Amino acid sequence: EPEVTQTPSHQVTQMGQEVILRCVPISNHLYFYWYRQILGQKVEFLVSFYNNEISEKSEIFDDQFSVERPDGSNFTLKIRSTKLEDSAMYFCASSEIERGPHNEQFFGPGTRLTVL
Amino acid sequence: AQKVTQAQTEISVVEKEDVTLDCVYETRDTTYYLFWYKQPPSGELVFLIRRNSFDEQNEISGRYSWNFQKSTSSFNFTITASQVVDSAVYFCALSGPLMNYGGATNKLIFGTGTLLAVQP
Repeated sequence: EPEVTQTPSHQVTQMGQEVILRCVPISNHLYFYWYRQILGQKVEFLVSFYNNEISEKSEIFDDQFSVERPDGSNFTLKIRSTKLEDSAMYFCASSEIERGPHNEQFFGPGTRLTVL
Repeated sequence: AQKVTQAQTEISVVEKEDVTLDCVYETRDTTYYLFWYKQPPSGELVFLIRRNSFDEQNEISGRYSWNFQKSTSSFNFTITASQVVDSAVYFCALSGPLMNYGGATNKLIFGTGTLLAVQP
């Protein structure tokens, strides 16, 4: 069964460093998302991406964050200068186009980011 | 504003008991979608069900059933004859409104989750 994959599974970085989290969405999906979950808390929306541009972003998604679809398969989230409070699990998700944007989103296994 | 409330932080049951997880939502949209996701201890988010606001029929899938009541803005989830493998955090989620310009977006607004522990 097709699934969303994410790499790495765990990333440890120093405060102020740049990190890139990678995702490979399900191949026929055209809507892509990033969410984050601080340990023990709820899952929060960061950004949605469709047709090679950001559709919507939350207030969390400030200038330190960017997303890119560099080729036909990868979808990346970059954090330019990490802060301690960026430590969280980051989930990538994708959904298909057939029934419009309210399809179920399929989530990847997550990347645990630890900022020291 | 959209909001999802899962008032039950933790529930502990013994195997074979039935358990209901509550979800109450707030939205001003007339068309919206509701979801349940399961997060087992391994951490991934597993899709369970999607329901649109025009379909108030209850749904049953094996030991799982969902009760959608628009009148009370609730979308509750019942597990019948619970098993240890059902132990997880369960999230209820609401899809955000389509953007005014018609742009494609489907952000999910999650509740805080309910930790279900099923004891053998």
